Amino acid sequence: DAEITQSPRHKITETGRQVTLACHQTWNHNNMFWYRQDLGHGLRLIHYSYGVQDTNKGEVSDGYSVSRSNTEDLPLTLESAASSQTSVYFCASSATLEKLFFGSGTQLSVL
Amino acid sequence: KQEVTQIPAALSVPEGENLVLNCSFTDSAIYNLQWFRQDPGKGLTSLLLIQSSQREQTSGRLNASLDKSSGRSTLYIAASQPGDSATYLCAVVKTDSWGKLQFGAGTQVVVTP
Repeated sequence: DAEITQSPRHKITETGRQVTLACHQTWNHNNMFWYRQDLGHGLRLIHYSYGVQDTNKGEVSDGYSVSRSNTEDLPLTLESAASSQTSVYFCASSATLEKLFFGSGTQLSVL
Repeated sequence: KQEVTQIPAALSVPEGENLVLNCSFTDSAIYNLQWFRQDPGKGLTSLLLIQSSQREQTSGRLNASLDKSSGRSTLYIAASQPGDSATYLCAVVKTDSWGKLQFGAGTQVVVTP
């Protein structure tokens, strides 16, 4: 079955380190999104991509970057991790920009 | 800036009661509204999607209504079951922001046997 997978499920890192979270989908969806979820804030959009070589900034993009070299993957990089980036990160993909399919999330702790 | 609010933040009901979850949004220029379910430690599952031209959508025991002019949506879950315990989130897509969902903070629901 087609699916969307995120790795790792849990990550602990130190402030200042570079961290990359992986997202891989097998639906061949053109559209992919990264959200973060914090208590009291719901999910907020970090970056998104409408296709290969296309990337766009979302609502809370500072300190994050993405690259899209193929259809299946949209890795999220924290250039220099900060404690404020401790959060749960969700990747999503969509064919139609209407129904999104979400991964199970990555819990990131920055100490 | 679109603001999406869900009240209450938490809700506990006995099994068999109907659940009523509320979502409000400040900008009525939306393309669609979705309701999601989130289980602890899991991702989000889409429950219902309502286009801006629609008034409601139904799926089994779930019914979602949309009043765009007043900026409100309501999710009804009939005859609640313990398996309905989860966090329910609503999200809107503005007409000029295709695919970019703006979420409420969610309502955490507990259905007690």
